Amino acid sequence: GQQVMQIPQYQHVQEGEDFTTYCNSSTTLSNIQWYKQRPGGHPVFLIQLVKSGEVKKQKRLTFQFGEAKKNSSLHITATQTTDVGTYFCAGTSLTDNDMRFGAGTRLTVKP
Amino acid sequence: IAGITQAPTSQILAAGRRMTLRCTQDMRHNAMYWYRQDLGLGLRLIHYSNTAGTTGKGEVPDGYSVSRANTDDFPLTLASAVPSQTSVYFCASSGGDYYNEQFFGPGTRLTVL
Repeated sequence: GQQVMQIPQYQHVQEGEDFTTYCNSSTTLSNIQWYKQRPGGHPVFLIQLVKSGEVKKQKRLTFQFGEAKKNSSLHITATQTTDVGTYFCAGTSLTDNDMRFGAGTRLTVKP
Repeated sequence: IAGITQAPTSQILAAGRRMTLRCTQDMRHNAMYWYRQDLGLGLRLIHYSNTAGTTGKGEVPDGYSVSRANTDDFPLTLASAVPSQTSVYFCASSGGDYYNEQFFGPGTRLTVL
């Protein structure tokens, strides 16, 4: 079945440094979504990517969808303490329409 | 109610006991989901419902059952709880619009002893 792998599992950065998390699927995806979960909170939708090679930006966050629609990345420029949390990707398989979450990348930011 | 709610917030349960986690949404979303979240494993789908009256199995359905009698409510039942079901449980819903984003409830922290 479909597997969605996300790396790294943890990332600790100094405030102002950049951060990137990567998501890879074992199968081709119809779309990929990204969610953020603050400590003690629930996942909150950030964005969805649908097109091959798509790049979307939200302020300091840049999301990319790979050309083969099997991988994606989230890059945060100049992290702030408000970026702390766990970032999850969730890919929907093109073949069976199942959506699977990655294990998440937990980001901590040192002020 | 605004959005999606879950009850209880947390629960400690003896092994072998029956437990129902409640989930209610007021967004008139057709689809609803139950996930469990365990450290290092992310969110794993237990059961889902695409519309009232229908349910389906997710990635980890064993030991759990659901019902969807109406659009708003989607309870999750553990018939006989076991310690491996200790987890944080999230209910979610989606409206089937373009983004099909999922809206999550605040979660239920369940400990089975």
